[in-house]
Amino acid sequence: TQLLEQSPQFLSIQEGENLTVYCNSSSVFSSLQWYRQEPGEGPVLLVTVVTGGEVKKLKRLTFQFGDARKDSSLHITAAQPGDTGLYLCAGVAAGNKLTFGGGTRVLVKP
Amino acid sequence: DARVTQTPRHKVTEMGQEVTMRCQPILGHNTVFWYRQTMMQGLELLAYFRNRAPLDDSGMPKDRFSAEMPDATLATLKIQPSEPRDSAVYFCASALYNTEAFFGQGTRLTVV
Repeated sequence: TQLLEQSPQFLSIQEGENLTVYCNSSSVFSSLQWYRQEPGEGPVLLVTVVTGGEVKKLKRLTFQFGDARKDSSLHITAAQPGDTGLYLCAGVAAGNKLTFGGGTRVLVKP
Repeated sequence: DARVTQTPRHKVTEMGQEVTMRCQPILGHNTVFWYRQTMMQGLELLAYFRNRAPLDDSGMPKDRFSAEMPDATLATLKIQPSEPRDSAVYFCASALYNTEAFFGQGTRLTVV
């Protein structure tokens, strides 16, 4: 069982559509990070959210941290083929371990 | 251009052989992580170090895996003896405490 559960595991959409990826846990995190990984590369940080209820925007990407700091979501508006990749959430858990969710594989078709 | 460097990028080895993977963290970072990524399990934390001291290696099979940081510029992950189930991509990442983790490009290991 993953400490961080991501859903859905896979998402295939057409260019221009919107999508939301969820990251849920029963644990409270002091901060939560979102990464994107492309084939053959390591994950790259997109954003860190720290405060419960925090919303951060990165161009067409909107990240939200739950009020109780147990969950987070990533929303992409008007997705483009360049958004294709594996999206990973990660949280700092007990013992200061940076633990990753299972990831959501996003495919945006032109 | 600061980056985490991992070697080798690819490794094919026979079952039973020793495998050593190396990582050069970003200068100034005090935290080093080793992760293993497979399609089935996703990114699993194997071990991590803070200021070169191992803080947690509970995710690592102790009988065959070992991780060390002989100095601040080198982290190693060894598998001896290797088994086909060890086939995966192994990532090293470094960070300043628990801020942004910078990942290397990974070592793709195939054990036949």
